[in-house]
Amino acid sequence: SQKIEQNSEALNIQEGKTATLTCNYTNYSPAYLQWYRQDPGRGPVFLLLIRENEKEKRKERLKVTFDTTLKQSLFHITASQPADSATYLCALLMDSSYKLIFGSGTRLLVRP
Amino acid sequence: ETGVTQTPRHLVMGMTNKKSLKCEQHLGHNAMYWYKQSAKKPLELMFVYNFKEQTENNSVPSRFSPECPNSSHLFLHLHTLQPEDSALYLCASSQDPIVTGTDTQYFGPGTRLTVL
Repeated sequence: SQKIEQNSEALNIQEGKTATLTCNYTNYSPAYLQWYRQDPGRGPVFLLLIRENEKEKRKERLKVTFDTTLKQSLFHITASQPADSATYLCALLMDSSYKLIFGSGTRLLVRP
Repeated sequence: ETGVTQTPRHLVMGMTNKKSLKCEQHLGHNAMYWYKQSAKKPLELMFVYNFKEQTENNSVPSRFSPECPNSSHLFLHLHTLQPEDSALYLCASSQDPIVTGTDTQYFGPGTRLTVL
């Protein structure tokens, strides 16, 4: 069956360090992958999109990689700040269905 | 603000009540979505509307009834819900993914629903 896996345990890091979050998927062939940020009690907010033919995408302190062989995306936040504390969701879109499938998210805590 | 508003933000209802959730988007998008988000579970897609036509019903129980009178407004009518329906209900919108080739979604703040 199709599955998206994000680490359910919270990632706890010190301010200034690089946070790395993982999104693994099985039995999918996504056209692209997106990352969203969600704060408690709020809706997700779009951050970055990376297509299947792209290896890496950057936006300010954010970097996303996409390895279709490993079926994995890594999401990096460099020089992390306490304000980066949130839950980060990955989402895949399949060419055939044009439907976004979301992972359950990983909570990031950045300590001052 | 993402340009997508939802009302009410919080709702408590009994199992015999009838209530409606409202979503409005000010982004000129063509597609609108309802999602359910329960604790520790992924976002579950419930309904998709594209140009006011329902294009997806993800095996949602009939006690949830969507309505899309125009491209800017989306409703979710609720009746005879169960306690397990308690969750955060999120509305989202996007440009037509078939046209744009992407499906970046803009979410509202959600309605926190509690069914007693």
